[in-house]
Parts: sequence; structure tokens; C-alpha cells
Amino acid sequence: AQTVTQSQPEMSVQEAETVTLSCTYDTSESDYYLFWYKQPPSRQMILVIRQEAYKQQNATENRFSVNFQKAAKSFSLKISDSQLGDAAMYFCAYLKANAGKSTFGDGTTLTVKP
Amino acid sequence: NAGVTQTPKFQVLKTGQSMTLQCAQDMNHEYMSWYRQDPGMGLRLIHYSVGAGITDQGEVPNGYNVSRSTTEDFPLRLLSAAPSQTSVYFCASSRASGGSTDTQYFGPGTRLTVL
Repeated sequence: AQTVTQSQPEMSVQEAETVTLSCTYDTSESDYYLFWYKQPPSRQMILVIRQEAYKQQNATENRFSVNFQKAAKSFSLKISDSQLGDAAMYFCAYLKANAGKSTFGDGTTLTVKP
Repeated sequence: NAGVTQTPKFQVLKTGQSMTLQCAQDMNHEYMSWYRQDPGMGLRLIHYSVGAGITDQGEVPNGYNVSRSTTEDFPLRLLSAAPSQTSVYFCASSRASGGSTDTQYFGPGTRLTVL
């Protein structure tokens, strides 16, 4: 079974600084996808960034980027120029290709200090 | 498109009551799934479906039933509610074709309290 581990229950960053959230996963599959979701107090699951396992290039979305290390099974999220609106719970998720079900980590609560 | 919709948004039940959480999607997605999120934890898979008429159990299926008679709808039934089922429930859907469309889309969630 796949597992996803987020080892940082809480992280804090100063506004305009950079922060990195860690995620490791375990799988024997070769075709899969990795995601970072943001969950604000409203509880809505908001997709932040998506990475296909077969792509070596790290995904980027504006201020958000990932460091995908397939051999090490590591998938960290870097948030640059942090903003107050980035404060939320962040979840790392694994999705096996063509399976329709994800495995989630337990989340990291990000606090942004003004 | 409305995306993935869930009803109700909030629900309070008494122990032993039954109810159905509704989930619908208008994106013609083959895959649908139900998750629960307990405080301080990530989402855990309850049941999922790869198409109409096909369902399977996830990580925490006990106390829940599902059926999928249409592509659009995937209701989750609580047979006899227990306080341990107090949680936030999310429904999600995705395409079966993979590639750039292999992403799950989540509904807004249902907050359930069992007294």
C-alpha cells in the first residue's frame, strides 16, 4: 500500500520570505502523480500544484514550485515571497495513474507572520 | 459546470440514526470517491467507484455503504451513525483516461456531527 508522510506538523514563515514543506512517499508503482493541496479554514481542498512522475522537470505555478526527487521518493513544496493568504493547512497527496483514489499525508499547518 | 457538489453542508445526527450524503458531478468523470477528514489528520478513503455499477472499499469502509447507479451520482450512506463518524466528508471525481486530466476534483465537504 502507498503511504505519504509529512514530517512537519507545523511551519512558520515571515511574510515575503521563502518556506519549504516536506513530503515523502512510498510506492512500488512507476506511473503516478503527486499533488499539493491547500486547505484554508473553509475546508475547501484547493489544488496548488501537480507533478507527473514520468516528468523529470519540476512543476512550477507562479510562487509555488516543487523539488521532485523520484529515486528518493521525495516531493517538497517551495513557496516563494510568502503572503498572508498562504496561511493554511497543506496536504501532500499521491494518486496512482488510472486508479481514481488518492493517499494523503497528515498535513502541515503553515503560519505566515506579518 | 458546477463541478462536484455535495449536500448537505452541515448535518447533526443522533447515535443510531441513518442518513445519506449526496455527491454529484457534471464533468462526466468515470472515477468518484469518498473521503473523511478527522481533526488534525489528512483525508482517508472510505469507498470509491471506477464507473457506474462498480464500487470498492477504501481504507475505512466500516459503517458506510455506497452504490453508483449513474455516472453523475455517488451517494454515501451511514447505516447507524456513531460518534466515531463525526468528521468532515469529501467527495471527489476524476477522469479515467489519465494524462493531463488525471487530477481529482473535490466537493466543498459535508461537516457531520453525531451526538
